[in-house]
Amino acid sequence: DTGVSQDPRHKITKRGQNVTFRCDPISEHNRLYWYRQTLGQGPEFLTYFQNEAQLEKSRLLSDRFSAERPKGSFSTLEIQRTEQGDSAMYLCASSFEGLNTEAFFGQGTRLTVV
Amino acid sequence: KNEVEQSPQNLTAQEGEFITINCSYSVGISALHWLQQHPGGGIVSLFMLSSGKKKHGRLIATINIQEKHSSLHITASHPRDSAVYICAVRRGSARQLTFGSGTQLTVLP
Repeated sequence: DTGVSQDPRHKITKRGQNVTFRCDPISEHNRLYWYRQTLGQGPEFLTYFQNEAQLEKSRLLSDRFSAERPKGSFSTLEIQRTEQGDSAMYLCASSFEGLNTEAFFGQGTRLTVV
Repeated sequence: KNEVEQSPQNLTAQEGEFITINCSYSVGISALHWLQQHPGGGIVSLFMLSSGKKKHGRLIATINIQEKHSSLHITASHPRDSAVYICAVRRGSARQLTFGSGTQLTVLP
């Protein structure tokens, strides 16, 4: 297992377009998290899955954002009608179930909306 | 006020210097994490602490639960240590992490 992988690594899109990102977690991990990081800031929580169930969503996740994790394996994060303010690094992390388990992060997808 | 505050925001050191990065938090936590982020985005977990002190190579992390404070120390710093160091906490029974804004460390040869 090569760790958490995210695709694409970079995405440039025009304002108003839809984009979709993919995250493949470490295969034994049943928890998957999406975070967003803007320049000079730490990551901010967006949403988290335990297996295929989306258990928590941040208020940062507007109606234009949707995340899925069909079959409890890979996850997708879609942003509809992108805005310039959506430009950020989108990070995925996965972990085992448990209160204090280590999270493993992917390399992130850097989105630029022009 | 952010729930997790780090200081300093930026730190430049000469190779070989002893480095300390501080993290203060204002909420009850079940664990505190120190993470390293290199240019390009990838984040690597360095330590997870709920009490006391941990050491790995030249890195040492300490936490004082009563004072809601943690420090990350780097001994004999090296240019390859240059990165952003991020403190993150797991609040109570929450599953997700709450992050500080990071400390940009530059170690000059």
